[in-house]
Amino acid sequence: AQKITQTQPGMFVQEKEAVTLDCTYDTSDQSYGLFWYKQPSSGEMIFLIYQGSYDEQNATEGRYSLNFQKARKSANLVISASQLGDSAMYFCAMRGSGGYQKVTFGTGTKLQVIP
Amino acid sequence: DAGVTQSPTHLIKTRGQQVTLRCSPKSGHDTVSWYQQALGQGPQFIFQYYEEEERQRGNFPDRFSGHQFPNYSSELNVNALLLGDSALYLCASSFQTSGAYLAKNIQYFGAGTRLSVL
Repeated sequence: AQKITQTQPGMFVQEKEAVTLDCTYDTSDQSYGLFWYKQPSSGEMIFLIYQGSYDEQNATEGRYSLNFQKARKSANLVISASQLGDSAMYFCAMRGSGGYQKVTFGTGTKLQVIP
Repeated sequence: DAGVTQSPTHLIKTRGQQVTLRCSPKSGHDTVSWYQQALGQGPQFIFQYYEEEERQRGNFPDRFSGHQFPNYSSELNVNALLLGDSALYLCASSFQTSGAYLAKNIQYFGAGTRLSVL
């Protein structure tokens, strides 16, 4: 079974500052993928960034980077230079190996960017 | 390039009724997954369809059923609605790959259907 834990129900960050959203995971799979999604109040789940368990480098996508520490089973999302439009729910998720594509989500972190 | 589209956007039903939600996947995608997201929670996996067959199912009762059509679009049906079925229902599409890149298949989500059961 897979489990995602996000311990920060809510976070505040000043505009233009960087913020780190925490995520830890648990799985018995050797090969797995980690994802971060953003969900604005409109409801749509927007894909942000992906990290594979065998990737040697941390993933980056524009202002988003994923701090992957495999031994600690953590996959924290770092957002640099926060913008007001970054205010949303953020979900960490994972998929294991095995031929199927079920994705397991955490409970999310609500990020609010303060002007 | 159209993304994942879901219809309707909102629905209000009463207990005991049946509902059908629809999803059209992103162009080029062949796999559709359905998720239920209760208020304040993360999405929970309901089931996944590939090649018109259900190939994986989460912990949901048989009242939840689905279908995938030859054009890869999909429907989610819920029978005998309960108050607890009130939620945002999200559809996600992806393209089936195999081997070492399996875990990288990215699921792209629609905006969801918000179902209220009264």
